[in-house]
Amino acid sequence: ETGVTQTPRHLVMGMTNKKSLKCEQHLGHNAMYWYKQSAKKPLELMFVYSLEERVENNSVPSRFSPECPNSSHLFLHLHTLQPEDSALYLCASSQDPLTDTQYFGPGTRLTVL
Amino acid sequence: GDSVTQMEGPVTLSEEAFLTINCTYTATGYPSLFWYVQYPGEGLQLLLKATKADDKGSNKGFEATYRKETTSFHLEKGSVQVSDSAVYFCALSTSGGYNKLIFGAGTRLAVHP
Repeated sequence: ETGVTQTPRHLVMGMTNKKSLKCEQHLGHNAMYWYKQSAKKPLELMFVYSLEERVENNSVPSRFSPECPNSSHLFLHLHTLQPEDSALYLCASSQDPLTDTQYFGPGTRLTVL
Repeated sequence: GDSVTQMEGPVTLSEEAFLTINCTYTATGYPSLFWYVQYPGEGLQLLLKATKADDKGSNKGFEATYRKETTSFHLEKGSVQVSDSAVYFCALSTSGGYNKLIFGAGTRLAVHP
């Protein structure tokens, strides 16, 4: 695998379910990001991690819980979501959190019923 | 706050036509500027970037010049192909502190044979 990978690519869940999104980067980067892409809004930054430490939480509701166990892996744990949380969730990585260029994964298309 | 404004789409062109997608920005400091492309069903791919005024980013026949005096970063291509059909996002990275990408709303390009 190369670049940034995300699993699953598609996820359908009910509002009472608990699920997790996984991101893995194979670039040797030290910073990882979660973004949300909704149909009607520009891409929104959710979280930033640097060397497994969360350095940015962009006013995201607590029903989204990120986890970064090491510099290569990033998770987004989901629980009691709302239908308006349906979106494409994109993971990205960069050499470090002060570096401009971010590389994105293919995204997970989430549908909340 | 910092922001990016892109021309609304969709932009529909015939193959071999000239492409311009306008992008203007508002930012404090000296941001870096990016164009990302999203093909159907995929995540974002970095297309090109420019880090300072008068820099020209180029890739795959696409070009954009960082114009500080007009706060613009318009994307151009001399001859588009059907395979260029995608959504194009202009973005800036905020200066100071942790790297954040601020995206425009995206412009959908459809190229017909």
